[in-house]
Amino acid sequence: GQSLEQPSEVTAVEGAIVQINCTYQTSGFYGLSWYQQHDGGAPTFLSYNALDGLEETGRFSSFLSRSDSYGYLLLQELQMKDSASYFCAVADSNYQLIWGAGTKLIIKP
Amino acid sequence: DAGVIQSPRHEVTEMGQEVTLRCKPISGHNSLFWYRQTMMRGLELLIYFNNNVPIDDSGMPEDRFSAKMPNASFSTLKIQPSEPRDSAVYFCATSSTEANYGYTFGSGTRLTVV
Repeated sequence: GQSLEQPSEVTAVEGAIVQINCTYQTSGFYGLSWYQQHDGGAPTFLSYNALDGLEETGRFSSFLSRSDSYGYLLLQELQMKDSASYFCAVADSNYQLIWGAGTKLIIKP
Repeated sequence: DAGVIQSPRHEVTEMGQEVTLRCKPISGHNSLFWYRQTMMRGLELLIYFNNNVPIDDSGMPEDRFSAKMPNASFSTLKIQPSEPRDSAVYFCATSSTEANYGYTFGSGTRLTVV
């Protein structure tokens, strides 16, 4: 079967750094995507990793290790507005995304 | 660019009624996806179109659900008859081949069936 595992909830302090992990087991793999979704909003695209390594976009970075079937999203200098759910998703050979269940990030002042 | 446009934003209907959700994709995006999101089941892919052709509808829960994409500018998801368990947020998302799996989601339609 196909599955993605990510923690259901993570808590961090404003200004700190937090890492959200994602492990996957899929029959096909083209890349790992990350999406952010605020309560009541729609998912928005954050990043995509097709190759091993770290991709940085401002305060957010995403990492992939294909050999370990593992990736993470790193958020630095946390702000209250980063409180949201974060989804990892694997792109399979049919150009579709297989989604994780999401990680709710709670940020405390 | 107005993004992916969905209508209506909210829909409350009685069990047994027909519901039609609408989506206007971003111009030039050749892939369109209908998703359903609930607390219990998370994000579920219902159907996927590529160049207006349905590619995978294995996620459509039952015959009560149908989707069409008559042209590159418009898609509908219809539920007939609706049931309370269909209550969810329905998202339309679109993407282009060059977008590196970066989907753009519409604002969603929150459907409540009473």
